[in-house]
Amino acid sequence: SAVISQKPSRDICQRGTSLTIQCQVDSQVTMMFWYRQQPGQSLTLIATANQGSEATYESGFVIDKFPISRPNLTFSTLTVSNMSPEDSSIYLCSVGGGGAGETQYFGPGTRLLVL
Amino acid sequence: QKEVEQNSGPLSVPEGAIASLNCTYSDRVSQSFFWYRQYSGKSPELIMSIYSNGDKEDGRFTAQLNKASQYVSLLIRDSQPSDSATYLCAVGVSASKIIFGSGTRLSIRP
Repeated sequence: SAVISQKPSRDICQRGTSLTIQCQVDSQVTMMFWYRQQPGQSLTLIATANQGSEATYESGFVIDKFPISRPNLTFSTLTVSNMSPEDSSIYLCSVGGGGAGETQYFGPGTRLLVL
Repeated sequence: QKEVEQNSGPLSVPEGAIASLNCTYSDRVSQSFFWYRQYSGKSPELIMSIYSNGDKEDGRFTAQLNKASQYVSLLIRDSQPSDSATYLCAVGVSASKIIFGSGTRLSIRP
């Protein structure tokens, strides 16, 4: 499986500011995904990031709040904009092969606390 | 709305016993099923994937799939304290997209 890294690993931010999270993979992958895991909850898909096209957002998530970039096949960023305490969460990127229901592997996550 | 249901637990099992984790899903056309383990403060790691009806064994872990009943389970034999974690059931619902259950907390007591 691919080796995935995320930066930063954790951060404490003030409300109203923005944070950009980076996800780097050690091999080229077609599909990259961004998830949110709120305290004590399961994973919720924010969006799917494809290289060379706009990200596909899930219901309840919008580009203005969570802009995503995917400049190449090994890198993606997720920005959490105009943050509020409700955005305090773990943000995870994952990669998959692009086939139907193909296995996804997760990065270590970014732990965000918004004050 | 497509759903994946799990008992949240905690499920407490004595060391050395078999832990049985269950999951049901709503989308009849799903073809891929996954079990992830998540330790506190860590990201999910894949334990097993299963695509066909029946059992699939990997070491102490056995995944069982019954598509007619829309049911998937994970058995952990000879449970160890290191198996204490949250186990997430995930189901493929479209090309590349999987959805997760809420997870079952498993505690192995010495």
